[in-house]
Formats: sequence, C-alpha cells, structure tokens
Amino acid sequence: DAKTTQPPSMDCAEGRAANLPCNHSTISGNEYVYWYRQIHSQGPQYIIHGLKNNETNEMASLIITEDRKSSTLILPHATLRDTAVYYCIVRPLSDYKLSFGAGTTVTVRA
Amino acid sequence: GAGVSQSPSNKVTEKGKDVELRCDPISGHTALYWYRQSLGQGLEFLIYFQGNSAPDKSGLPSDRFSAERTGGSVSTLTIQRTQQEDSAVYLCASSLGATRTDTQYFGPGTRLTVL
Repeated sequence: DAKTTQPPSMDCAEGRAANLPCNHSTISGNEYVYWYRQIHSQGPQYIIHGLKNNETNEMASLIITEDRKSSTLILPHATLRDTAVYYCIVRPLSDYKLSFGAGTTVTVRA
Repeated sequence: GAGVSQSPSNKVTEKGKDVELRCDPISGHTALYWYRQSLGQGLEFLIYFQGNSAPDKSGLPSDRFSAERTGGSVSTLTIQRTQQEDSAVYLCASSLGATRTDTQYFGPGTRLTVL
C-alpha cells in the first residue's frame, strides 16, 4: 500500500514484545488503520484495526499517535508461530478493496 | 466456527486449459471477495459480491476471468484458456457485509500453476 511505510524486516525474541511500526503521514480523517498478517503459504489473517483510539484484542494492541501519522502494532508475547509478514493498511470508509504493500517480515527466534 | 474454505488447495494445469476455483464463505457473511497474489507481489483485487447487488468486476484482468456466486453463498472463479501469467495464489475472503469496510476474513487460497 503506497500510503504506508513499514520496515522490510525485523527480528524478535520469543516471549518478548514485538513492536511493529508503520508510517502513514498522508492519512485522511475518514481512513482506518488495519493490520493483517500472512504466515507462509497461508491466507492473510486479520489482526486489528482502529481509527484514532488505541485498540486491544486477544491478538495484539494498536497504538495510534495523536496526529494519526503513525501507528505501532504490539504483539505482547511473541511466539514462534507469530513469524509472518505483517501488513499495515490505510483504508478509507468507502473502499472495500484491500491492497497490501511489501509489509514487514517478522521473524521470532527462540 | 468454520472459516472460509477454498478448493482445490493446489491446481496445476496446462496452458490453454480452463480452471474453476471454489470458495465457501463463512456462514452468514453476505459479502465475498476474490483476490490474487503473485509471487513477490502484493494483493490484487479481482471481484466483489454483496448480497443480490451486481458484482464489482473492476479488478478482473481480462475477459478470460469470470466469477459467479450461487444462492448468495458459494462462489466459483473461472479462468478460461489459462496463460502462464495467471499463475498465482487465488484468495477468497468474506465479510458480514453490513458496511463496505467490514473486516474481511481470508481462506487459505488456491495455488494455481500454469505450465
């Protein structure tokens, strides 16, 4: 997604928190931030989304800066099964078409 | 509950043959989407079905591609006269359909290889 910028890769130690950054400096007021991940050879998996407030669910937390120009996905206790490509997406309310960029390849190491 | 299922999981075909890919959405989901993902490429939207409305076919790359959704549930993506550039993973997703930005839940995909 050309509207977001993510680091190409990052490593994380098993059991530690993984903090995945995403820049979306041109985000509009009606655009949500979504996170998906894709484990090798599987379909994309929804993780979390938010508009401006921080969000938490059973998988992760999403922290969105006050100016909404960046966000961080937090996996609180990374496991080896969290190794995947993580995609940050900015999506307007009127658009149902998902589009992924290169994402961040996260490798969780024992 | 059961997620989105797709079949077959892998399909190898010869150039020029027709293929059919099947998607079973999550029960109760009225919206269904087809995407494809080529090796090293991002996600490419193909088609969107919502209830009884006319589908959005704007993402279909050529008239060799078509899709239908019978009874508002199962969907079939058909590729006629397959070409090598059609090789990709074809992903199906479904959502509740209450809003245009409902969360989409994906199936495992069908990996198509055209020889």
